[in-house]
Amino acid sequence: NAGVTQTPKFQVLKTGQSMTLQCAQDMNHNSMYWYRQDPGMGLRLIYYSASEGTTDKGEVPNGYNVSRLNKREFSLRLESAAPSQTSVYFCASRELAGRSSHEQYFGPGTRLTVT
Amino acid sequence: GNSVTQMEGPVTLSEEAFLTINCTYTATGYPSLFWYVQYPGEGLQLLLKATKADDKGSNKGFEATYRKETTSFHLEKGSVQVSDSAVYFCALTGYGGATNKLIFGTGTLLAVQP
Repeated sequence: NAGVTQTPKFQVLKTGQSMTLQCAQDMNHNSMYWYRQDPGMGLRLIYYSASEGTTDKGEVPNGYNVSRLNKREFSLRLESAAPSQTSVYFCASRELAGRSSHEQYFGPGTRLTVT
Repeated sequence: GNSVTQMEGPVTLSEEAFLTINCTYTATGYPSLFWYVQYPGEGLQLLLKATKADDKGSNKGFEATYRKETTSFHLEKGSVQVSDSAVYFCALTGYGGATNKLIFGTGTLLAVQP
């Protein structure tokens, strides 16, 4: 099993450009998440999908959109990139909402720089 | 709302030293508590967890005990190694509302010198 995979690993954008970060998991997990990691701020939740067909805003959703394409894939889109979106983005997945095990499995991250 | 506070780093130790990284939380109900570790250039990995009061999570020589009376979940290791150098995140998830969400502390960088 590859676990959680993310593409690309690195990306540089100019202000105003758009792009989509891809995430896929092969663990048959129901819930998927997008976080951003900034120095001194830990990880902050952008959007999550509790199950296929549903998405909800997290702590910092502004400037982002998501698509839960199917059970495996959860993409994050920046429609018009801004320098404030320079960050490391992590995708994560979890087996089932509401169960006693809350472990989330993380991908390796995408390092995004917006100039 | 729920929150996690952990000690700021960096924490610099010599090999074989004792490690404590403090973590306290604010939460309603009965959260589950976690320590995640992030090695350089990698994503986060679950290190250990505890799901109810007085539970002790342990893994790879690390331990943390869920203390409801002090709302704490401090991470300890008796003898650190250079390979333990990483960023450590304390986190919680609770019940009620959006039960899926993990709330993270800001992370503590540990640097172990030979």
